[in-house]
Amino acid sequence: KAGVTQTPRYLIKTRGQQVTLSCSPISGHRSVSWYQQTPGQGLQFLFEYFSETQRNKGNFPGRFSGRQFSNSRSEMNVSTLELGDSALYLCASSSLTGVTDTQYFGPGTRLTVL
Amino acid sequence: DQQVKQNSPSLSVQEGRISILNCDYTNSMFDYFLWYKKYPAEGPTFLISISSIKDKNEDGRFTVFLNKSAKHLSLHIVPSQPGDSAVYFCAAIAGNQFYFGTGTSLTVIP
Repeated sequence: KAGVTQTPRYLIKTRGQQVTLSCSPISGHRSVSWYQQTPGQGLQFLFEYFSETQRNKGNFPGRFSGRQFSNSRSEMNVSTLELGDSALYLCASSSLTGVTDTQYFGPGTRLTVL
Repeated sequence: DQQVKQNSPSLSVQEGRISILNCDYTNSMFDYFLWYKKYPAEGPTFLISISSIKDKNEDGRFTVFLNKSAKHLSLHIVPSQPGDSAVYFCAAIAGNQFYFGTGTSLTVIP
């Protein structure tokens, strides 16, 4: 079974631009969560989508948004990029509705904002 | 506001000895705790979990201990192996949200 895939793996943008990251979950998984990893803050939860609906949201500004498609693939968009948005963005998928279900992480997208 | 804290950013242990990774949390509503392991250039992988109704869970060389009164979680790896060298994240769940610590980088010295 193929794992979680994220594209692109690396991205360089400048301040003020916007960016869209993509995540394809494991086949059959309906829940996709997004996380931001920075050296000082560790992994921080952005949001979770389940069956095309945002089910949970972390404490991030409205510049961070996402969506999920009918095939469970998810995209995350960051508008008006700031230098502090430079981070590794990870997505994770899980199969069932229970929050304790094991999450499977993708390799991440490394975003650098110049 | 970091609700899950890993105060040791790094830890070095000799091969064969015990590795103890610690995690503290502040939210008493957390009801499930997990440990993840992360190698460079890869996403975190699930290692072991524990429900708040238990105080210990063991899986092979890995044991997680939960002290609810102290709001403290620890992961014991015995015996430590060089392949265990990675960054370890603890995570806690409240409601439907995951909260992760900042990670501890473990180096097991052969």
